[in-house]
Amino acid sequence: DAMVIQNPRYQVTQFGKPVTLSCSQTLNHNVMYWYQQKSSQAPKLLFHYYDKDFNNEADTPDNFQSRRPNTSFCFLDIRSPGLGDAAMYLCATSGHGSYGYTFGSGTRLTVV
Amino acid sequence: AQTVTQSQPEMSVQEAETVTLSCTYDTSENNYYLFWYKQPPSRQMILVIRQEAYKQQNATENRFSVNFQKAAKSFSLKISDSQLGDTAMYFCAFRDTGANSKLTFGKGITLSVRP
Repeated sequence: DAMVIQNPRYQVTQFGKPVTLSCSQTLNHNVMYWYQQKSSQAPKLLFHYYDKDFNNEADTPDNFQSRRPNTSFCFLDIRSPGLGDAAMYLCATSGHGSYGYTFGSGTRLTVV
Repeated sequence: AQTVTQSQPEMSVQEAETVTLSCTYDTSENNYYLFWYKQPPSRQMILVIRQEAYKQQNATENRFSVNFQKAAKSFSLKISDSQLGDTAMYFCAFRDTGANSKLTFGKGITLSVRP
């Protein structure tokens, strides 16, 4: 089945130690998004790629970066995680407006 | 900028009964898309139903239906015959029709279905 896959499902990292979260898709969608979701809150868009074009949200901290080496893969890099970065990170893809987004299962990041 | 408002933080419903979740939005666009997403405790965000603004007919997906009032900018979700598996957080979301458009979420509502 076509889907969006996020690895790992759970990630524990040390305060200040760089961490990378990954997302892959088999939908061949041209747009990929990264959201941060804290407990009982709405997802907050960090950035997205429209094909190879990177679009950063104005309030996304510089600590968060992203890479998209090809259509299928997108990575979220957190350069120096702080305790406040502990959250669920959701990857989503979109190929046509009327169908909304397809979300992955998310990666729950814990910072210790 | 578009905004999506879900004013009820939580609701509870008895199994087999019907519940309606409210959502309002604000936009200056004439054509756009509206969605309801479900996020159960497993945290996978699942699309429940979608509505295209140019369609007058309300969308229906099995037990889920919407009441789309374009003039009032209202988009409520009705869940009929509630089941225990409907317990989840529900997000209303808006997206315009631009190729590079983004999904704007409401704050969500926690729905609990009681046995």
